[in-house]
Amino acid sequence: AQSVTQLDSQVPVFEEAPVELRCNYSSSVSVYLFWYVQYPNQGLQLLLKYLSGSTLVKGINGFEAEFNKSQTSFHLRKPSVHISDTAEYFCAVKIKAAGNKLTFGGGTRVLVKP
Amino acid sequence: NAGVTQTPKFRVLKTGQSMTLLCAQDMNHEYMYWYRQDPGMGLRLIHYSVGEGTTAKGEVPDGYNVSRLKKQNFLLGLESAAPSQTSVYFCASSSFGSGRQQYFGPGTRLTVT
Repeated sequence: AQSVTQLDSQVPVFEEAPVELRCNYSSSVSVYLFWYVQYPNQGLQLLLKYLSGSTLVKGINGFEAEFNKSQTSFHLRKPSVHISDTAEYFCAVKIKAAGNKLTFGGGTRVLVKP
Repeated sequence: NAGVTQTPKFRVLKTGQSMTLLCAQDMNHEYMYWYRQDPGMGLRLIHYSVGEGTTAKGEVPDGYNVSRLKKQNFLLGLESAAPSQTSVYFCASSSFGSGRQQYFGPGTRLTVT
């Protein structure tokens, strides 16, 4: 069975500073990878996804992530954060040949300070 | 389009009471899902459905039942609520096809006392 580990449960960061959220997964088969964001008291919305092709994926709101197959990682980055990026971020994986079920990591709470 | 909606938004139950959470989507999606979200554990899949009239167990199905009588609706039932079921519940839907993203509802916050 696959699993997803988000190494940081909380990341405080100052406004306009860069941020990196780490995600590692374990799976013996090929996967699709996703990052979702959850703003306070809301549902999840998709930031970006990796299905195939270029390992650098660009998403909404200036976020990007890089798929590293050898390290089984899919880290999320943003070069300059805004107060509005304060949210919880979830990494998720889906086995390519196993329906559409997602396995989520535990989440990383980002707090952007002025 | 409203997307994915959930009813109710909040609920407080006493141990042993029952309730049904309703999820509706207007995107004509084939797949629908119920998750629970608990601090530090991300979202865990309770049950899911790949089409009208079909349901399947997810990662944490015990204590829950589901039904999908209509394509646009997916109901989650708690027959005898327990404090361990205090959580935030999210419904999601997606279209058929590998790699399709899931669209999430706003959540239902359930407290069982």
